[in-house]
Amino acid sequence: RKEVEQDPGPFNVPEGATVAFNCTYSNSASQSFFWYRQDCRKEPKLLMSVYSSGNEDGRFTAQLNRASQYISLLIRDSKLSDSATYLCVVNRGGSYIPTFGRGTSLIVHP
Amino acid sequence: NAGVMQNPRHLVRRRGQEARLRCSPVKGHSHVYWYRQLPEEGLKFMVYLQKENIIDESGMPKERFSAEFPKEGPSILRIQQVVRGDSAAYFCASSRGATNEKLFFGSGTQLSVL
Repeated sequence: RKEVEQDPGPFNVPEGATVAFNCTYSNSASQSFFWYRQDCRKEPKLLMSVYSSGNEDGRFTAQLNRASQYISLLIRDSKLSDSATYLCVVNRGGSYIPTFGRGTSLIVHP
Repeated sequence: NAGVMQNPRHLVRRRGQEARLRCSPVKGHSHVYWYRQLPEEGLKFMVYLQKENIIDESGMPKERFSAEFPKEGPSILRIQQVVRGDSAAYFCASSRGATNEKLFFGSGTQLSVL
């Protein structure tokens, strides 16, 4: 089983749609979790951290489920500019090495 | 620009040559990570360094690849005797600390081996 797994997609949605991605991780000792965004193979940029209590930033909501070992990202009211690859990042438990999932591709169309 | 600086942006080498990739972290950051991204693949961890120390190199190929982060100057990822399979985007990231810290990425170096 891979350390961090994501559905590569692509998720093809119309503007205004709500879309959700999940990411599963294998190491139960993992302690910190993030979502990054990558555009056209440019450098990844932090979208948001994921806290145990869940967190929201505008149209974006992130959740952590430790029991089932997954994190999720919900995007409401999708914009064309949300089209990108969304990378799930989990710090490898014990060594704090950020481990990236392969990414989920989102395409928002008019 | 106080961000992570990587150079060169593009590097072309012939098989058997050496490639040297440089990374200057965000000012005040002492933790540097190198990742490699192949086409249609995710970012693969290579090495984690702090000033003058290699902390974790579990993702580095055993041969031809080395990394350093000297007391003064940028971090260097060195690939000796490059082969076509080394062609990839190499990203450097830095963080302020080691625990639960977000990463700041450079723009990457695209290495092409002819």
